Amino acid sequence: SQTIHQWPATLVQPVGSPLSLECTVEGTSNPNLYWYRQAAGRGLQLLFYSVGIGQISSEVPQNLSASRPQDRQFILSSKKLLLSDSGFYLCAWSVQGWRNQPQHFGDGTRLSIL
Amino acid sequence: GENVEQHPSTLSVQEGDSAVIKCTYSDSASNYFPWYKQELGKRPQLIIDIRSNVGEKKDQRIAVTLNKTAKHFSLHITETQPEDSAVYFCAAPSNIQGAQKLVFGQGTRLTINP
Repeated sequence: SQTIHQWPATLVQPVGSPLSLECTVEGTSNPNLYWYRQAAGRGLQLLFYSVGIGQISSEVPQNLSASRPQDRQFILSSKKLLLSDSGFYLCAWSVQGWRNQPQHFGDGTRLSIL
Repeated sequence: GENVEQHPSTLSVQEGDSAVIKCTYSDSASNYFPWYKQELGKRPQLIIDIRSNVGEKKDQRIAVTLNKTAKHFSLHITETQPEDSAVYFCAAPSNIQGAQKLVFGQGTRLTINP
């Protein structure tokens, strides 16, 4: 069966520091991959999605970037964090090439910026 | 692109009563509608989904109905229990460049009162 791993689970970082969050998927090949951010008590904001290695699409202009160096690895990065980058970051995957498929979420990383 | 509206934003019901959450969508070509449940501090989890070739789908105490003419779909929870307390999100697909995005509703915070 497929599983999705995210780490770390929680992270406290100072303003201006760099960021790297990692997500890996097991049990499937060539998945679609997604990064979402969720502010406290709010909905899900899609940040990036990827249909393959090196293929990244950005949904909103921001201080963050994403990379997909391997088929089942998705990384969210920042060179300098802002206070507004605080939130709950969720990685998700879905089956590539099939319509009408659900997305499956990882356990998320709770990021606090001080 | 797709636009999803979800109502109500908060819902409080007595244990044992039924709860109904409604979503409307804008793209008449959409044909897949998942529902997610997110408990406090946890990841969203798929609880039920429906495809447009059916009007209703049930899974124990949970059901989803779809009205394609009116472009709305609803989540029905019967015999509510305290563990049903959570935030529920509906979603509809927005297909672009081979990746299926899900456009999420704003969420409904459901509270079950004992």
